[in-house]
Amino acid sequence: IAGITQAPTSQILAAGRRMTLRCTQDMRHNAMYWYRQDLGLGLRLIHYSNTAGTTGKGEVPDGYSVSRANTDDFPLTLASAVPSQTSVYFCASSERGGTGELFFGEGSRLTVL
Amino acid sequence: GQNIDQPTEMTATEGAIVQINCTYQTSGFNGLFWYQQHAGEAPTFLSYNVLDGLEEKGRFSSFLSRSKGYSYLLLKELQMKDSASYLCAVRDSNYQLIWGAGTKLIIKP
Repeated sequence: IAGITQAPTSQILAAGRRMTLRCTQDMRHNAMYWYRQDLGLGLRLIHYSNTAGTTGKGEVPDGYSVSRANTDDFPLTLASAVPSQTSVYFCASSERGGTGELFFGEGSRLTVL
Repeated sequence: GQNIDQPTEMTATEGAIVQINCTYQTSGFNGLFWYQQHAGEAPTFLSYNVLDGLEEKGRFSSFLSRSKGYSYLLLKELQMKDSASYLCAVRDSNYQLIWGAGTKLIIKP
């Protein structure tokens, strides 16, 4: 089934640990995104990539890094996790043309203690 | 600053009609999206408006007035499965999406 796969779906992490959330899409979309979703707030963009080999900072990039070595994969790394990074993380992708609607992965629920 | 406003929560009755409003103030405008998000799941695309007027898609319709910075999502013949959060998002002049906090819609029998 075509779409976006995220892993892990859920993780509890000690503060200070390094964590990588994986995201893979098989729709050959050029653009990919990482959002975090917190209760009472809209989706907030962490980082994005318009095409393989390029990345950009979103609204809340601090404490996070990304890479885009190829079209399909867009991992998000927390170098040293802090409790304020407890959130649900969504990876998404879109085509450059058309409406540019986003297709989302199922989310990764991260708890930092 | 950029801002998207929508009601936090709404309640409606099964079989009825509900209108969810969204007002926005953004740096430029390149389209407005509505997404549906069931609890614990990912958002899924519902509609896209870039020109003024009404877009109808089955039981769901979305309206846009760019001059008023206003949109609404209209859901007809409500079903229990429509209980979800509805997210309004505007694409700004930099082609970045600005998201509202979402409206939680509760459907009662």
